Amino acid sequence: QTVVTQEPSFSVSLGGTVTLTCGLSSGSVSTTYFPSWYQQTPGQAPRTLIYKTNIRSSGVPDRFSGSILGNKAALTITGAQADDECDYYCVLYMGSGLSGVFGGGTKLTVV
Amino acid sequence: EVQLLESGGGLVQRGGSLRLSCAASGFTFSSSDMSWVRQAPGKGLEWVSSISGGDGTTDYADTVKGRFTISRDSFKNTLYLQMNSLRADDTAVYYCAKNWWYGFEYWGRGTLVTVSS
Repeated sequence: QTVVTQEPSFSVSLGGTVTLTCGLSSGSVSTTYFPSWYQQTPGQAPRTLIYKTNIRSSGVPDRFSGSILGNKAALTITGAQADDECDYYCVLYMGSGLSGVFGGGTKLTVV
Repeated sequence: EVQLLESGGGLVQRGGSLRLSCAASGFTFSSSDMSWVRQAPGKGLEWVSSISGGDGTTDYADTVKGRFTISRDSFKNTLYLQMNSLRADDTAVYYCAKNWWYGFEYWGRGTLVTVSS
């Protein structure tokens, strides 16, 4: 069974740029996996950031952008702010069913 | 404004049953694919089940298949999750979500289910 992989943790400097990735234990991610990204602060519901690889959800600032980088989906945050410190999850569609599969999440620290 | 409001969570004994509800408003519920996603304490997000807005096709994670049943009432704009044979590892916050492009567009605030052993 193919697993969706994310970095368990990452750190970025305040004001800096960071790229989080979302891959597969076997194979390459492409736009046909319809990558989406979610942000979650502790105790809160997830918030949708990006869907269909690179389309920002309503109200999401353009500091957040999605792309395909090499064989993975990527979420890039530019001008990192203190309240960007939280968990980020990706979802990839495996080609069957109604929904995709979650990655394990990345805990982002802003230093 | 889109709103998804879950209810029905609580404390239940191992082997027991619980039915979650999600009241939806602010969008055309009847034609929207909907899902349940859960998060165990200190863990990541896990997709549980989805139901299509058209013909009501359903889909389940292997971990709940045969125990959980997703359904919808388009007259009441409400999504349900019937959970039977509950296990300790079903303990989680359960979120209702509106699907969008095989991901999730809008989320409820969640309802906590605790299964005691």
